[in-house]
Order: sequence, then C-alpha cells, then structure tokens
Amino acid sequence: EAGVAQSPRYKIIEKRQSVAFWCNPISGHATLYWYQQILGQGPKLLIQFQNNGVVDDSQLPKDRFSAERLKGVDSTLKIQPAKLEDSAVYLCASSLVSYGYTFGSGTRLTVV
Amino acid sequence: EDQVTQSPEALRLQEGESSSLNCSYTVSGLRGLFWYRQDPGKGPEFLFTLYSAGEEKEKERLKATLTKKESFLHITAPKPEDSATYLCAVQGNYGGSQGNLIFGKGTKLSVKP
Repeated sequence: EAGVAQSPRYKIIEKRQSVAFWCNPISGHATLYWYQQILGQGPKLLIQFQNNGVVDDSQLPKDRFSAERLKGVDSTLKIQPAKLEDSAVYLCASSLVSYGYTFGSGTRLTVV
Repeated sequence: EDQVTQSPEALRLQEGESSSLNCSYTVSGLRGLFWYRQDPGKGPEFLFTLYSAGEEKEKERLKATLTKKESFLHITAPKPEDSATYLCAVQGNYGGSQGNLIFGKGTKLSVKP
C-alpha cells in the first residue's frame, strides 16, 4: 500500500510571499488532515476534510491559510502572505475511518 | 480543554537500560489514546491505540499501558535504533471534532551503545 505523498519536501520563502503544499492520501481514505508541527512541539490540527467537505477548520488562520480538497482525493494547503511564525513542518495525514491515521513525511517550510 | 502532557521532555539511556515514558491527559470522554514514533525529518509512525483503562499492547521492546488519567510507554532493553521522539495523542468523544488527535510535545529518546 502506497503511503501518503507530500510535496515539496522543503521550501524556503521570504515573508509576505505565498506558498502551496500538496498532499495525495492513501487510496480510498475518505478523511484527510493537515497538521502544523512547530519545532519542539507536537502536531496541531489545521483542517480536517471528509471526502471533499470541511469537517473542522476551527484552528486554521483563515486570514492567510486556505485549503481545498477537490474531488475528495488530493489536497492543497496555501499560505498567503507568509509570516515568520509560519516556519514549521506541515504534515498531511489520511484515514479510512476515524482511527489509525497515516502521516506523510511532511513539508518543512522556512520563512525568512 | 483537552490536554496532553508528556514527560520527560528528553531521556538518555544506555543500551539495555529499561525505562518508561509518561503521558498524562485530560479529555472529555476518551475515544482512544495513540502512541506514535517520529524520526528526524519524517512524519509520525503509528505504534499503538489504547481504548480503555487497563488495556495493554506490546510490540517488540515496547509496551503501552493505559489508566484513566495517564499512559505509559515502557521500553525494555532498548537499542540505539529505538532513538526517536515518541508522541502521545488523545482522541475525544465530541461532536464536530470527532477523529481529531490532540498531541503532546513528545519525549525525545536517545539510546547510546
């Protein structure tokens, strides 16, 4: 079974620039999550999709972050404009049901 | 507010020196408690799910236990390849957020040969 694919692996941008991350979940997994992991901290949920609908985006900074999941498969997370405090690893995870997440390797974002 | 606290933040062991990692939690109705392993530059890798107090699960040198307030990850005779950050997460039983995991900050384990 192929894992959760994420790209790019690394990204360095200047503050106020925009950036997008891509995630391809495990085939057949209806639920997709985006987490933010700041260095030295545990992952924090940004947004949860069930198929192509948003279940929970209560912790997503909507003034600068946006996410979509077209056709209930791939997902993109965008930041515009980026701030220094957005430097983190952005993890995508998927699950068939509510248990047993599988995480991707993440995208490490550095904002300078 | 649901919360997960892990201790210690870092743990250094000699190869073969057994120890335990602690995860204390508060949650509005526990649906599941999860342990993950995270290696540098990688995403968390699933280890165990525990659902009710008294439950135990084992995998190789790792054993996870659960009480109503905390979980322990026991590491028996660790090897250098067990070095990683171990994350604990809880999932609660509440309407709009079902399925979301709330993570602790993790325990960074280093095992020296």
